[in-house]
Amino acid sequence: AQSVAQPEDQVNVAEGNPLTVKCTYSVSGNPYLFWYVQYPNRGLQFLLKYITGDNLVKGSYGFEAEFNKSQTSFHLKKPSALVSDSALYFCAVRDFRNDMRFGAGTRLTVKP
Amino acid sequence: EAGVVQSPRYKIIEKKQPVAFWCNPISGHNTLYWYLQNLGQGPELLIRYENEEAVDDSQLPKDRFSAERLKGVDSTLKIQPAELGDSAVYLCASSLEPWGKHNEQFFGPGTRLTVL
Repeated sequence: AQSVAQPEDQVNVAEGNPLTVKCTYSVSGNPYLFWYVQYPNRGLQFLLKYITGDNLVKGSYGFEAEFNKSQTSFHLKKPSALVSDSALYFCAVRDFRNDMRFGAGTRLTVKP
Repeated sequence: EAGVVQSPRYKIIEKKQPVAFWCNPISGHNTLYWYLQNLGQGPELLIRYENEEAVDDSQLPKDRFSAERLKGVDSTLKIQPAELGDSAVYLCASSLEPWGKHNEQFFGPGTRLTVL
């Protein structure tokens, strides 16, 4: 069965600094990897996905993620954080046979 | 384009009472999902529909939970009777293509259930 881990419950960065939210996964076969963001009292919003191709995936709001097969990681990154990026971020994985499995989430706080 | 619509947004009930949640997916999305999200956790799948067929309900507690999607469009999730541990956010999501494809899911705002 597939699984995903987000090792950090909380990430704090200063506005304007780069940010990284970590995600590692375990799946049989080729993974399909996703990042979602959740703002308070709202559903999850899709940010980006990796299916195949380039290891660096660009998504919404200036976010990108790097797929690393050897390290089974899919870390979310942004070169310059904004206060408005403060939210809960979820990594998710699925393989061809299984439904989406989400990580426990990482709360990102960007301080002015 | 309207997103996934869920109602009610909030529900407070006493234990042992029934409760129902409604979801209307994005128009044209034939795959519909119900998720449970506990505080501080990621969503966990309860049931997935392909059109009107429930193709994966292995995580649905069938002794008290039921769901239906009679015409393959909107869906209802019911709990009867509710227990204290059912307090959570119930999320509905939809996607354009059937399971096995890699399209992203679009989520509704969720229904926050509090069982007293």
